Amino acid sequence: AQKITQTQPGMFVQEKEAVTLDCTYDTSDPSYGLFWYKQPSSGEMIFLIYQGSYDQQNATEGRYSLNFQKARKSANLVISASQLGDSAMYFCAMREGQGTALIFGKGTTLSVSS
Amino acid sequence: DVKVTQSSRYLVKRTGEKVFLECVQDMDHENMFWYRQDPGLGLRLIYFSYDVKMKEKGDIPEGYSVSREKKERFSLILESASTNQTSMYLCASTNPLGSSSTTNEKLFFGSGTQLSVL
Repeated sequence: AQKITQTQPGMFVQEKEAVTLDCTYDTSDPSYGLFWYKQPSSGEMIFLIYQGSYDQQNATEGRYSLNFQKARKSANLVISASQLGDSAMYFCAMREGQGTALIFGKGTTLSVSS
Repeated sequence: DVKVTQSSRYLVKRTGEKVFLECVQDMDHENMFWYRQDPGLGLRLIYFSYDVKMKEKGDIPEGYSVSREKKERFSLILESASTNQTSMYLCASTNPLGSSSTTNEKLFFGSGTQLSVL
């Protein structure tokens, strides 16, 4: 079974609109961390946001927020006010227990149009 | 600025060749990782290392080996390259959990090596 599932291969949004990228995860470890990375066409992996399993509040970083629903095991990324520069591949990832290796989903390609 | 440096951005090799992919980080990180990225498959963990001279297999170690003789350097070795090893290879590093004031031990990535095996 996949540990990280991103069901949207591609998403399209217009500038200034909000968009939600879905991510569900599977773990039996009570301690875990959830990450989102952005990969533009240049190929670099850019860290966006982190949510710990014990964090009470949803994480936010500027225009990025993580909609963490623990019971549903979902960690959706919300990008508010999309910009052309947000066009990229987005990866959801999970760290389990005390390890630091990340398990990645297959990614979602976001295209932002003017 | 913190950096993870991969020695080559593009590499073309022939089947059967021995290939070395080098990765160096300047952040004094203890943990280092090698991933490969393929379209539609995301990033998959090949090998990782939590300390010098230590290595652990990831999810897809077959056909690969690694070397970590110094803390800052983690090498990925393809003993006999095959066409199915054509891929983007990404190196990453971080510190162990609890080594900073937060638990956000995010991975810092290099810019990747696109390897083509012909």
